Amino acid sequence: AQKVTQAQTEISVVEKEDVTLDCVYETRDTTYYLFWYKQPPSGELVFLIRRNSFDEQNEISGRYSWNFQKSTSSFNFTITASQVVDSAVYFCALSEVDRRSQGNLIFGKGTKLSVKP
Amino acid sequence: KAGVTQTPRYLIKTRGQQVTLSCSPISGHRSVSWYQQTPGQGLQFLFEYFSETQRNKGNFPGRFSGRQFSNSRSEMNVSTLELGDSALYLCASSRRNTGELFFGEGSRLTVL
Repeated sequence: AQKVTQAQTEISVVEKEDVTLDCVYETRDTTYYLFWYKQPPSGELVFLIRRNSFDEQNEISGRYSWNFQKSTSSFNFTITASQVVDSAVYFCALSEVDRRSQGNLIFGKGTKLSVKP
Repeated sequence: KAGVTQTPRYLIKTRGQQVTLSCSPISGHRSVSWYQQTPGQGLQFLFEYFSETQRNKGNFPGRFSGRQFSNSRSEMNVSTLELGDSALYLCASSRRNTGELFFGEGSRLTVL
């Protein structure tokens, strides 16, 4: 069965600190997608990144970076120099690569990040 | 480009009633998925529609149903509401085979 674990329920940091959100996944599939979403208080989930299981290259986008390690089944997310606007709940998700169905994501429980000024 | 629109945003129902939630996807997106979000269970997949056909269904009782119209708009219905159905219901749309879901702000249902 597929499963996503985000062990950190809540994290609180002070502005400008770096913070890493952990994500560990389980799947029997050899090909899959991994995602990170951000959920601000407004409720909608905002897409941050999708990673294909074949692509273990780390990615950086501005202050955001992602570290994908297949050997440890982890897909961690780091925010550098955090800002108050980064405060939100962050979800890691997993989906199988199925051309017929793209909408079934397995989400972790989420990590609530609070960035204090 | 307009995002995913869900209506109503908030609603209150009583046990035993039924409810219909609506979702208008991003223009050009033909796939619509629905999720239930609760504090206890987190985000759980309900179903996915593409071209008016249900492609996938999550592990929910038959009281939960949905449909998609020819313009890709989707509705979900919950009959015989129970207290445990209180949740944020999120709709997401995507273009075929991109795997990138765009979510609406959700419909927050409270069952009393």
